[in-house]
Amino acid sequence: AQRVTQPEKLLSVFKGAPVELKCNYSYSGSPELFWYVQYSRQRLQLLLRHISRESIKGFTADLNKGETSFHLKKPFAQEEDSAMYYCALSSKAAGNKLTFGGGTRVLVKP
Amino acid sequence: EPEVTQTPSHQVTQMGQEVILRCVPISNHLYFYWYRQILGQKVEFLVSFYNNEISEKSEIFDDQFSVERPDGSNFTLKIRSTKLEDSAMYFCASRADANTEAFFGQGTRLTVV
Repeated sequence: AQRVTQPEKLLSVFKGAPVELKCNYSYSGSPELFWYVQYSRQRLQLLLRHISRESIKGFTADLNKGETSFHLKKPFAQEEDSAMYYCALSSKAAGNKLTFGGGTRVLVKP
Repeated sequence: EPEVTQTPSHQVTQMGQEVILRCVPISNHLYFYWYRQILGQKVEFLVSFYNNEISEKSEIFDDQFSVERPDGSNFTLKIRSTKLEDSAMYFCASRADANTEAFFGQGTRLTVV
């Protein structure tokens, strides 16, 4: 079975401070990992996927298969980063459906 | 930019009534999904649909639920006899193929009273 855990429900940081959102997963096969973001009153949208290895809006995430983690990081948080962040996993073996973590609300204070 | 569109944005219904939630996926997409999020809980997979049939469904997706793609553009989720515990935000998603990202609609908030 697929499982995604985001241990922090809320992260509050000051503007310019680093932010790291933790994500751990359990899956026996070869998963694909994603970070989705939901800004206030907007739809869920893809932020990052591990296979693309991009940096989007200053965010990066590295898949660590040994620790089964996919933590999201940004060195200098901005107020516009305040949003709900969801880590998600999918795999071809599981029909490409997304399994989501519980989400972390990030609040960036001025 | 093309978007997944869901209607209505909010639906209130009485327990035991049937509801149909509507979604218009992005036009060239082939894979369609419904997810739901009960207030304060995780976003949960309900069902995936490809090639005019259900490809996978979760335990939540019991006989009270059904999906249809009646006219090649709409993708609907029907709940035959709603229960209080069906109250949730329902999200539709679509993707062009199995390797591309899923695009989500803005959601329909279903309230069963």
